[in-house]
Amino acid sequence: QEQLVESGGGVVQPGKSLRLSCAASGFTFSNYAIHWVRQAPGKGLEWVAGISDVGSNEYYADSVKGRFTISRDNSKNTLYMQLNSLRVEDTAVYYCAREVQWRGIPRLDPWGQGTLVTVSS
Amino acid sequence: SYVLPQPPSVSVAPGKTARITCGGNNIETKSVHWYQQKPDQAPVLVIYYDSDRPSGIPERFSGSKSGNTATLTISRVEAGDEADYFCHVWDSGSSHPLFGGGTKLTVL
Repeated sequence: QEQLVESGGGVVQPGKSLRLSCAASGFTFSNYAIHWVRQAPGKGLEWVAGISDVGSNEYYADSVKGRFTISRDNSKNTLYMQLNSLRVEDTAVYYCAREVQWRGIPRLDPWGQGTLVTVSS
Repeated sequence: SYVLPQPPSVSVAPGKTARITCGGNNIETKSVHWYQQKPDQAPVLVIYYDSDRPSGIPERFSGSKSGNTATLTISRVEAGDEADYFCHVWDSGSSHPLFGGGTKLTVL
């Protein structure tokens, strides 16, 4: 079935870096834009970044612009996000989600199970 | 920026009907999707494009929209429906997804 599996989360000190991965299976990865969405403990969902199907366009939330970089390797069916200059407020579960279009209107489906990033000294 | 207010919580007795709302200026011009999220699980799409239901989602789940409010309705609520529910639209101005703050559904 169509599936996304995140990895790479962990505990890191403020100012340090981390690289998240999202492995896709069950669908043609290179046909879809993919997004990262995060959820801080006990909070709602916050869109973080997105990348177009062939990787030519990247989009970022203002809160992470200049610190996070989204990328993809379609030959490996894998999405990445490099998290630099991490802050305590970046602590969250990070989900990757596929963008599906119908008549030009997008939705996110499916989502991965998430990977927890904890930024703490 | 565009805001999608949701009530923080809704409580309903088993067998009754739960209605969860999602507001937003000009939401009538946007397609609204709804996700169910149980503790420590990923969000699952339960309604998309205002009122369509993905395969595998019970008919008890339905969506509607009127004026500046979209509504997720869960009929004959079961204990297993207890979860957080988020509405989601796409911000055409900035080409990225927006989410409501989420509503915690409690089954009494």
